[in-house]
Amino acid sequence: GENVEQHPSTLSVQEGDSAVIKCTYSDSASNYFPWYKQELGKRPQLIIDIRSNVGEKKDQRIAVTLNKTAKHFSLHITETQPEDSAVYFCAARGGGNKLTFGTGTQLKVEL
Amino acid sequence: EAQVTQNPRYLITVTGKKLTVTCSQNMNHEYMSWYRQDPGLGLRQIYYSMNVEVTDKGDVPEGYKVSRKEKRNFPLILESPSPNQTSLYFCASRAGGTGELFFGEGSRLTVL
Repeated sequence: GENVEQHPSTLSVQEGDSAVIKCTYSDSASNYFPWYKQELGKRPQLIIDIRSNVGEKKDQRIAVTLNKTAKHFSLHITETQPEDSAVYFCAARGGGNKLTFGTGTQLKVEL
Repeated sequence: EAQVTQNPRYLITVTGKKLTVTCSQNMNHEYMSWYRQDPGLGLRQIYYSMNVEVTDKGDVPEGYKVSRKEKRNFPLILESPSPNQTSLYFCASRAGGTGELFFGEGSRLTVL
């Protein structure tokens, strides 16, 4: 089955800096890669996703890149703000439409 | 308002006492799933259902049961809870095979 690895597990940046979270996946059949943000005590919510026929997608300060050959994808957050502090999960949907999550990255944006 | 509702939100119970966590969605979604979230392990799938009367095991199904008698409901049953089932549980749903997964607010379960 699919295996998704996510790094780093914790990330601390200064407000205004950029943050990058990286994930790798194992199933070459995976074709959908969402990112979820989970604020403290809240449910995970989708912030951006990318499909395998696209290499990059951007939504304001958030962007996701996908390298199908290397089987890795990344989340980029620019001009970070305190409200970006949260746990971020990557995921990959492979054969059978099963969504497998990474282990999460705790992002802390410091003032 | 489109939502996934879980109950109870918090529960402390003792080993062996059967419990059910209910999940209901009002979006007419075919797909529903249960996850558990543990520190350092992310979100792991317990069971999922592609539609009414169709359920299948996820990655960590041991000790859990589910049923899908109606499209909107997908209860999680712990027949004989054990301390290693202490966790934060999330129910989620989505329409069809692709698309956004909507999560419930979570149910924090403690088994003593």
